[in-house]
Amino acid sequence: DAKTTQPTSMDCAEGRAANLPCNHSTISGNEYVYWYRQIHSQGPQYIIHGLKNNETNEMASLIITEDRKSSTLILPHATLRDTAVYYCIVRVGNSWGKLQFGAGTQVVVTP
Amino acid sequence: GAVVSQHPSWVICKSGTSVKIECRSLDFQATTMFWYRQFPKQSLMLMATSNEGSKATYEQGVEKDKFLINHASLTLSTLTVTSAHPEDSSFYICSASGGDEAFFGQGTRLTVV
Repeated sequence: DAKTTQPTSMDCAEGRAANLPCNHSTISGNEYVYWYRQIHSQGPQYIIHGLKNNETNEMASLIITEDRKSSTLILPHATLRDTAVYYCIVRVGNSWGKLQFGAGTQVVVTP
Repeated sequence: GAVVSQHPSWVICKSGTSVKIECRSLDFQATTMFWYRQFPKQSLMLMATSNEGSKATYEQGVEKDKFLINHASLTLSTLTVTSAHPEDSSFYICSASGGDEAFFGQGTRLTVV
């Protein structure tokens, strides 16, 4: 699976949008971009995933560049409960949940 | 969404004893489950892939005789830490694949004293 690069940390004001970047310049054509987050002392939680097109669900939006070498996770209205480590992972879609976690981005949402 | 449940959430054991951690998929069948370990301030590290009805596949550097994995049914995988030592103290997390997603348990905090 391709490696990803994320900023170590970022702060966000409550109620504002949080834009989390991820670089995956070596991504292959059959690899998806997945985002998970881990709130302190809990198991990771799935957020969203995509292949080429932008995706949106009730939690977030995923913007993937046309060359697929980078993506941005957008939390439209950050709340204090969004404080977590966010992991960007690229993997082949049928790899049955085997995930290679990087260091992720520690997001702190402040009042 | 699908639910994966781990038990116990936390456990304290004496050095030299064994500890069993259960991972259950509550509303779907999982032929494959995964076990991760996470030390403080570090990311999750995949330990092994648990396959229903067959032997687990361990990642490089993980001792298969120390971390026994059993996946006897489509909804249950167990991880037994044998002869635990303080350096085994960690956060253990399981996951199961359902469709395109991986669903994670809430994790088990193991402290060996």
